[in-house]
Amino acid sequence: AQSVTQLDSQVPVFEEAPVELRCNYSSSVSVYLFWYVQYPNQGLQLLLKYLSGSTLVESINGFEAEFNKSQTSFHLRKPSVHISDTAEYFCAVSARNNNDMRFGAGTRLTVKP
Amino acid sequence: DAGVTQSPTHLIKTRGQQVTLRCSPKSGHDTVSWYQQALGQGPQFIFQYYEEEERQRGNFPDRFSGHQFPNYSSELNVNALLLGDSALYLCASIRREQETQYFGPGTRLLVL
Repeated sequence: AQSVTQLDSQVPVFEEAPVELRCNYSSSVSVYLFWYVQYPNQGLQLLLKYLSGSTLVESINGFEAEFNKSQTSFHLRKPSVHISDTAEYFCAVSARNNNDMRFGAGTRLTVKP
Repeated sequence: DAGVTQSPTHLIKTRGQQVTLRCSPKSGHDTVSWYQQALGQGPQFIFQYYEEEERQRGNFPDRFSGHQFPNYSSELNVNALLLGDSALYLCASIRREQETQYFGPGTRLLVL
């Protein structure tokens, strides 16, 4: 089975600073990779995903993530964060032959003014 | 186009009771998965339903059971509730052969 490790439980940053949320995965088969965001008292919203093709994927609100197969990583980055980006971010992996999705423990991003 | 919906939004039960949570998948989706998210943790996969049958199961005891109806909606049942069952229960739907699951807002269960 696949697994995910999010290396930072909390990441505090100042507004307009760059941020990187780290994610490593483990799997014996080919996988899809996802980042979901969860705002307080809400469900999960898909932020971006890697399925195939270009290893750099982007979201509509300025986040990007790069799939690195050799390092089994899928780190999330944003060059300049906003207060509204404060949320919990979850990295997830699913095997290509099923929909069994495994999540990391989450990284709480707090953007300070 | 309605997304994934869940009911109820909140629920309070006592130890030993039974609870049923409900989920309606996104339009066009035929597969439903359930997750348990304890406070401060990531979602944990409970099981997945497709064609009214349980297809995959995570590491959860038999107290957790489910059902899928012909209209693809699903229920999660938990018997003999324990304090540790207090969590946010998330439902996700997907169309078979596609890659991306979409999540509902969750049902927050508190067991006293």
